[in-house]
Amino acid sequence: ELKVEQNPLFLSMQEGKNYTIYCNYSTTSDRLYWYRQDPGKSLESLFVLLSNGAVKQEGRLMASLDTKARLSTLHITAAVHDLSATYFCAVDGRSQGNLIFGKGTKLSVKP
Amino acid sequence: DAGVIQSPRHEVTEMGQEVTLRCKPISGHDYLFWYRQTMMRGLELLIYFNNNVPIDDSGMPEDRFSAKMPNASFSTLKIQPSEPRDSAVYFCASSEGPNYEQYFGPGTRLTVT
Repeated sequence: ELKVEQNPLFLSMQEGKNYTIYCNYSTTSDRLYWYRQDPGKSLESLFVLLSNGAVKQEGRLMASLDTKARLSTLHITAAVHDLSATYFCAVDGRSQGNLIFGKGTKLSVKP
Repeated sequence: DAGVIQSPRHEVTEMGQEVTLRCKPISGHDYLFWYRQTMMRGLELLIYFNNNVPIDDSGMPEDRFSAKMPNASFSTLKIQPSEPRDSAVYFCASSEGPNYEQYFGPGTRLTVT
């Protein structure tokens, strides 16, 4: 069974601190996706990582992909309150076209 | 483009009633996905279409659920009869190709009493 596991599932951090969210998956997918969801809102695409070693950065968020380890990380630098949200990673599913999502990491940044 | 459009945004209905959720994908996107999100089960893929043809409906929970895509710009998800356990947020998403990033609609919050 294809699995996508994120950890931690809940993360409370202080403003200004750094932290990393991990996404492990069981398939041999070469692509990995990160999404953000604000409370009561829809999912917004953050990053699409297309190959081994891919690294993408936007603002205080940086995502990387290691397909050999089947691991992606989402690193948060100097967190601010606006980053509070739930972050999902996803990989290509069994059938061509669909994605398998992790359970999400709920991030709360406190002043 | 206006993005993925869903209607209604909120739906409250009584158990046993028929519910129809609607979705308009982004123009030019060949893939359309229906998801359900609950606190207990997280985000679940129900069904997806490629060029209006259902490809994988293994996530549809039971026969009470059905989905159609009569043309490239419209899809429906129907629940008949609805049950309280169907209460969830239902998202529609579209993408321009296989394994491309998906763009999500605002969701329909369904409450079945």
